[in-house]
Amino acid sequence: KQEVTQIPAALSVPEGENLVLNCSFTDSAIYNLQWFRQDPGKGLTSLLLIQSSQREQTSGRLNASLDKSSGRSTLYIAASQPGDSATYLCAADGTGGGADGLTFGKGTHLIIQP
Amino acid sequence: DGGITQSPKYLFRKEGQNVTLSCEQNLNHDAMYWYRQDPGQGLRLIYYSQIVNDFQKGDIAEGYSVSREKKESFPLTVTSAQKNPTAFYLCASSIRTGVPFGYTFGSGTRLTVV
Repeated sequence: KQEVTQIPAALSVPEGENLVLNCSFTDSAIYNLQWFRQDPGKGLTSLLLIQSSQREQTSGRLNASLDKSSGRSTLYIAASQPGDSATYLCAADGTGGGADGLTFGKGTHLIIQP
Repeated sequence: DGGITQSPKYLFRKEGQNVTLSCEQNLNHDAMYWYRQDPGQGLRLIYYSQIVNDFQKGDIAEGYSVSREKKESFPLTVTSAQKNPTAFYLCASSIRTGVPFGYTFGSGTRLTVV
């Protein structure tokens, strides 16, 4: 059974710093790896999707990488801003492309200090 | 705009009552999912459906029931058999099996037992 772990659980940094959020998964036979953002009391907003054949994806100040062989993904946030404060969730899609649902990590709670 | 609509945003349930959470999507996605989110536990899969009139249990299906009579709709009923229903419930959809376009989430329903 797939397990997803996110480190650190919480992170507080001053505005302007570059930072890295880590995600690891136990079963490397994933189809996709998807990063989400969740604001308090809200739903999930998709940030980046990395297909199993890809190594990384970029969107603005965000860059996500995927290393299936080591079971790791990282989310890099450049030049952090107070508006980036949220919980970031990593989720692994099941094997073989089946629509069986995502397996989530518990998230990294990020605070960017003004 | 296409998306997922969950209603109501807040729901209060008395002991012994059944309540139904609504999830509607206009994305023309084949697959739909229900997740439960508790503090410190991350998101857990309750039920999912890949096609109309078919659905499967997820990791924590006990005390819940679903139906999929229309492609656009996937309501979740929290029955009196669910002993600890207070949580944040999220509905999601994906286009179909084997296509790497990721998952879209609704804004959630917060259920509280009173």
